[in-house]
Amino acid sequence: QQPVQSPQAVILREGEDAVINCSSSKALYSVHWYRQKHGEAPIFLMILLKGGEQKGHDKISASFNEKKQQSSLYLTASQLSYSGTYFCGTEIGYNFNKFYFGSGTKLNVKP
Amino acid sequence: GAVVSQHPSWVICKSGTSVKIECRSLDFQATTMFWYRQFPKQSLMLMATSNEGSKATYEQGVEKDKFLINHASLTLSTLTVTSAHPEDSSFYICSARDPSGRVPKNIQYFGAGTRLSVL
Repeated sequence: QQPVQSPQAVILREGEDAVINCSSSKALYSVHWYRQKHGEAPIFLMILLKGGEQKGHDKISASFNEKKQQSSLYLTASQLSYSGTYFCGTEIGYNFNKFYFGSGTKLNVKP
Repeated sequence: GAVVSQHPSWVICKSGTSVKIECRSLDFQATTMFWYRQFPKQSLMLMATSNEGSKATYEQGVEKDKFLINHASLTLSTLTVTSAHPEDSSFYICSARDPSGRVPKNIQYFGAGTRLSVL
């Protein structure tokens, strides 16, 4: 049920780019992206509701390929504040009454 | 955005005791709330979906009698860990959706989480 993310971990220097992928074995009706700092609750980044949709703010963007049942998160010109664990999430079930997080990608941005 | 309050933020208890965690939606009515458990360096695992006025729906492998969920009102869901043991030590997080339509209603709003340590 849980989407699979890749890579599991990424180490970047400030200013570098990264791509995080999220794949599901089940149909995706929407894809959510969250970032979690250690010991804190996840923070909502964005939601993609339609296949083919692309969205972004600041230097973080995402795309949603409904047919391929996957989504990608793009981090450009990374900043130290981008460090954390990124999770994709998806809703399944009747009336979308279940929400599953992906396996997570730990991002470490170094000066 | 919508606010979800979770209390307590941390709790330490002795083995065999019960612990109650509260999750409140402060500025919206949440017909559905979710409870997650997160072990160190792992993802958030859905434990159950809590529906106002009806029984919670538990994920496979989650013991209903051990993790009691009550969603008695549109703004409050509680998770009670009964007869807690050291292996129940974890980070528990609730979330809620705002169905009012003010924002895309699929968005999850999270509580700050509760760190449970069972001695």
